[in-house]
Amino acid sequence: QQQVKQSPQSLIVQKGGISIINCAYENTAFDYFPWYQQFPGKGPALLIAIRPDVSEKKEGRFTISFNKSAKQFSLHIMDSQPGDSATYFCAASSTGGYQKVTFGTGTKLQVIP
Amino acid sequence: EAGVAQSPRYKIIEKRQSVAFWCNPISGHATLYWYQQILGQGPKLLIQFQNNGVVDDSQLPKDRFSAERLKGVDSTLKIQPAKLEDSAVYLCASSLRTGIADTQYFGPGTRLTVL
Repeated sequence: QQQVKQSPQSLIVQKGGISIINCAYENTAFDYFPWYQQFPGKGPALLIAIRPDVSEKKEGRFTISFNKSAKQFSLHIMDSQPGDSATYFCAASSTGGYQKVTFGTGTKLQVIP
Repeated sequence: EAGVAQSPRYKIIEKRQSVAFWCNPISGHATLYWYQQILGQGPKLLIQFQNNGVVDDSQLPKDRFSAERLKGVDSTLKIQPAKLEDSAVYLCASSLRTGIADTQYFGPGTRLTVL
């Protein structure tokens, strides 16, 4: 019940295209859904996050879409750039008590010129 | 603001040897996390400290792994004895506080190879 399932495992997108990464969860106690970006040799860094009281959040070229009834959420990267090439992790946590974050398995994105 | 510092960055050991990793969180951050990231997988929480107290160590293999956070600042993670399956990147993260949706800041990690 603590799992966060992420797909696809890898993704190749042309420069200027839209990258879409999907995640699904089962634990209805999750109430915070961050996305992390990780470059080789670096630790993950928070990219964008959403709470389930909204269906969409946009920050620049990055948008999270959230479907509470389906227990699914996705990351859209508009106008993808080669500099976006990285591994992306979705995550989920419940913020009651202490925050324990459960990560997805990651999506390796490659944006080709 | 300085980020989360970790050392060493790389470590190669033989199985059954011991190893220790060090983490210095961002100044003022009360919460510290140790994660294990196996190649091709997402980070898995090993242990979480709130100041110098443990709030979650449910996924820490306590027969071989130990961690401490003395004085609520720096932390060390130790593996003794190491197994081949411990080969992974060990990430330290910190956040200002816990109990809310607080941003975790990750260090660069220590890549451990067990031969």
